[in-house]
This record gives sequence, structure tokens and C-alpha cells, in this order.
Amino acid sequence: KAGVTQTPRYLIKTRGQQVTLSCSPISGHRSVSWYQQTPGQGLQFLFEYFSETQRNKGNFPGRFSGRQFSNSRSEMNVSTLELGDSALYLCASSSVRGADGELFFGEGSRLTVL
Amino acid sequence: AQSVTQLDSQVPVFEEAPVELRCNYSSSVSVYLFWYVQYPNQGLQLLLKYLSGSTLVKGINGFEAEFNKSQTSFHLRKPSVHISDTAEYFCAVSSLQGAQKLVFGQGTRLTINP
Repeated sequence: KAGVTQTPRYLIKTRGQQVTLSCSPISGHRSVSWYQQTPGQGLQFLFEYFSETQRNKGNFPGRFSGRQFSNSRSEMNVSTLELGDSALYLCASSSVRGADGELFFGEGSRLTVL
Repeated sequence: AQSVTQLDSQVPVFEEAPVELRCNYSSSVSVYLFWYVQYPNQGLQLLLKYLSGSTLVKGINGFEAEFNKSQTSFHLRKPSVHISDTAEYFCAVSSLQGAQKLVFGQGTRLTINP
């Protein structure tokens, strides 16, 4: 069974640009979550989708947005990039709806903003 | 709201020695508790989780953790570590209700010396 796939793995952008990251969950998983990982702030929850609906959102500005498609694939978008957006963005999928489920993480998309 | 404190940012140990990684949490509601491991340049992998029942939880790779409600702790232990255990370990909590949203600690970097 293929794991969680994130693309691209690495990307470099400049301030003011926007970026879209993609996540393909494990087949059959309907829940997809996104996390930002930085050395200073650690792992922080961005948002979670289940069956195309955003169920929960973290404390990030409106520049961060996401969506989920009918095949459960998800994208997140960051507009007007800032230097502080440089981070590893991790996507995770789960087969269950509740908070007790195991999250399966992808290897992440490493974004560098210059 | 929940918060997680991992009391040690780095833990160096010798191979075959025992190790304990400490985690305390704060929450006004009941929570589920998790330990995840992150190997270099990889995503996170679930080691173990506490949902309910026995306070001693056994996970993969010989790890175990004990939930202590009175001390709001969930320390991770392994009786004998191997070089391959070198990684970063994250303690996390989630509320019982609602969607999946993990709150992570800052991580503990475990370094195994031969």
C-alpha cells in the first residue's frame, strides 16, 4: 500500500510569491491534515479536512488556505509569502474520523522563502 | 486548550543503555496521548498511543509509555537502545472530541553513542 505522497519535496520561492503544495493520502483515507514544522515553533497544526470539508483550523493567518478534492487528495496554498513561512510542511492522512486515529505522515515539502 | 512540554530537548545515551524521554501535558479536558518518532529527512511515525484502559502502553520497536493522570505525564521508555533509535521524538495530545488536531511538544533529540 502506497504511503502519503507529497509534492514537490523541495521548492524555493521569493517573498510575495504564492505556493501550492499537494498531498495524496493513503488509499481509502478520507481525513487529511497539514502541519508546519520549523526549528523555532516546532510542529503546528494548520488544518484538517474530512470528505472535502474543513473540520478544524489552526491559528494561522488567512494567507494559508487549503482544500480537499473528492478523491481525498488535498492541496494547501500560501499566498504573499514571507520569510517566516520557510518550513517543512507535513501532510498526514487517517482512516478514521475521530481524534483517536493514527496519523500517517508524508515526508513533507520543504519550502524556502528568499 | 492543550499544551505539551517535553522536558529535555536533547538526550544522549550509550548503546544498550535504558532511556526515558519525559513529557508533561496540560489540558482542561480529557485527552488522547501519542508519541511519534521522526527519523532524519522523513515524516513522523506513530510509536504508541494511549486512548483509555491500562496506563502502561506498549508500542513498536520496544518502546513503552506510562500515562500518569495525577502528574499529567506520559513518559516514554526503552530498556535498551540501539544506534537505529537515533531520531527526534515528539509527544502529542488531542482532545477526545471533534476532529483530529494534534498539539505537539517541541521534541527530544535522542542520540545514541556506541
